[in-house]
Amino acid sequence: GESVGLHLPTLSVQEGDNSIINCAYSNSASDYFIWYKQESGKGPQFIIDIRSNMDKRQGQRVTVLLNKTVKHLSLQIAATQPGDSAVYFCAENNAGNMLTFGGGTRLMVKP
Amino acid sequence: GAGVSQTPSNKVTEKGKYVELRCDPISGHTALYWYRQSLGQGPEFLIYFQGTGAADDSGLPNDRFFAVRPEGSVSTLKIQRTERGDSAVYLCASSVVGGEAYEQYFGPGTRLTVT
Repeated sequence: GESVGLHLPTLSVQEGDNSIINCAYSNSASDYFIWYKQESGKGPQFIIDIRSNMDKRQGQRVTVLLNKTVKHLSLQIAATQPGDSAVYFCAENNAGNMLTFGGGTRLMVKP
Repeated sequence: GAGVSQTPSNKVTEKGKYVELRCDPISGHTALYWYRQSLGQGPEFLIYFQGTGAADDSGLPNDRFFAVRPEGSVSTLKIQRTERGDSAVYLCASSVVGGEAYEQYFGPGTRLTVT
């Protein structure tokens, strides 16, 4: 079946650097995408979302880019901080209700 | 305000036993979702409630799994004859209304271990 997946399982960055986390999706009918952050022992926390009629959306220190041509989604975190260390999931919503999550990327921030 | 809460936070049970997992959604949220997350993987959808009714239960793996939301608020996920493969973190989420455009707020999850 179609699914959402990530290119890199682990990303290690230096504190203060920018981070880029990538995600590939395969369902061309998906029209809404979300990035979640999950810390150990906690549930996923909403970071930012984007609709398919957009190719970029910015939040506080985060930017999501959507390339529908190659079905690719990315999350950019500016000036990465130790508190950003977590597992990041992209998710897609194309059925109106459920979210389909990818496998996750662990971000490790080195001081 | 209070977020989504789930109880218990941890549950250890023996193979073959029955378990109930509880979810208290954010007050006023009409949509409620259950997901299951295995170690190192993303959450997988189980069931979605809009109000009291299960609008989509296509993710329930088999008939040992059942969920209810009798008054449109608290929900209980019930697992009969538990198997070791049921061990996972069970996540609950709620949103203001169901549908694609509404952010789902997740609870901390219940870690279920079947021995």
